Amino acid sequence: GAVVSQHPSRVICKSGTSVKIECRSLDFQATTMFWYRQFPKQSLMLMATSNEGSKATYEQGVEKDKFLINHASLTLSTLTVTSAHPEDSSFYICSASPDLWAFFGQGTRLTVV
Amino acid sequence: AQKVTQAQTEISVVEKEDVTLDCVYETRDTTYYLFWYKQPPSGELVFLIRRNSFDEQNEISGRYSWNFQKSTSSFNFTITASQVVDSAVYFCALTTYNTDKLIFGTGTRLQVFP
Repeated sequence: GAVVSQHPSRVICKSGTSVKIECRSLDFQATTMFWYRQFPKQSLMLMATSNEGSKATYEQGVEKDKFLINHASLTLSTLTVTSAHPEDSSFYICSASPDLWAFFGQGTRLTVV
Repeated sequence: AQKVTQAQTEISVVEKEDVTLDCVYETRDTTYYLFWYKQPPSGELVFLIRRNSFDEQNEISGRYSWNFQKSTSSFNFTITASQVVDSAVYFCALTTYNTDKLIFGTGTRLQVFP
């Protein structure tokens, strides 16, 4: 089956720094990828839709200047959390949906100290 | 608008009991897909099943079975003879042909005690 790889799986950063998370589709091309965020004991909330070669589409309430998304190739989307603060600590997970299947990366647990 | 409701926040059972996790969905699209995922403590989402809106056949896979009923907009998941390893959070999700986005329910935390 299709594989989506996400890196890093875990990151700890200092408040004020930026963190980049990568999401790769390993055996298929993904013109669209999705980024989700999950707080402890909560559901996955869609943050944005990453579109290859164009701007990402952000869900209501998600700061696009804070969560920068770049989808420069058909196999890679990146999410950069800029000027991270402790409240940005969360589990971030990406997905790609070829033919309306939904394949997920392993997720990234971000802790901002 | 799309919506998925998992009314059961948490369920606790003793090993070998059967347990059913409920999922009710809303959509105006006629072509849609429903999913179930398992999320163990590690956080990774484990795919369990995908069902399209035109296929109402129930499915069984080992101890897992799914009951899809369009008349009640439900897609329930049953684990037979539950085991401790089944302890996890289970998510029901919906995507439609028109949106591509996957909308998740709030999840049901299942705890299976020995």
